[in-house]
Amino acid sequence: TQLLEQSPQFLSIQEGENLTVYCNSSSVFSSLQWYRQEPGEGPVLLVTVVTGGEVKKLKRLTFQFGDARKDSSLHITAAQTGDTGLYLCAGAQGSTLGRLYFGRGTQLTVWP
Amino acid sequence: NAGVMQNPRHLVRRRGQEARLRCSPMKGHSHVYWYRQLPEEGLKFMVYLQKENIIDESGMPKERFSAEFPKEGPSILRIQQVVRGDSAAYFCASSPARNEQFFGPGTRLTVL
Repeated sequence: TQLLEQSPQFLSIQEGENLTVYCNSSSVFSSLQWYRQEPGEGPVLLVTVVTGGEVKKLKRLTFQFGDARKDSSLHITAAQTGDTGLYLCAGAQGSTLGRLYFGRGTQLTVWP
Repeated sequence: NAGVMQNPRHLVRRRGQEARLRCSPMKGHSHVYWYRQLPEEGLKFMVYLQKENIIDESGMPKERFSAEFPKEGPSILRIQQVVRGDSAAYFCASSPARNEQFFGPGTRLTVL
């Protein structure tokens, strides 16, 4: 069973469009991280959110942690072809960070 | 500041051979994690180590797999008597003081 469910699994959009990807769970997490992974490479950390309701912005990317710390979303404004990649959410449980539980990811393709 | 380094990047082994995967954490990071990524399953936690100590090995198969992080030198993930089902991408991550995890580029293991 997957502790974190990501949706959609695949997303294909045109450059300039906005999009949101979701990361949901029935479990509570002490923190949640978003990564982006390109083929043949390791995941690259984008952001960490730790407080329920927290919103973080990274240029055109907006990350939100749910109030109950069970879910998160990633919103991209005016997508660019360089945003193409596999977006992974990963959660940590307990008072400190140990193992991460990963979702299966959202494969985003942005067309010119 | 060099990132997490893993070698080899690609490893081919025949069934029954041993595979040794190496991970050098980022400078100043004393916590190392190993994850395995299969095409349809996403990233799965295997083991969490600190210098000379295994903190959590709950994700590691009980047989044929072992990991170490010696006082000097890289962390090693060792797989004895490999089978075809061990073919996967193996990622190492490191963190300072149990915080965010930064991933290496991975080792792609192919078992013939």
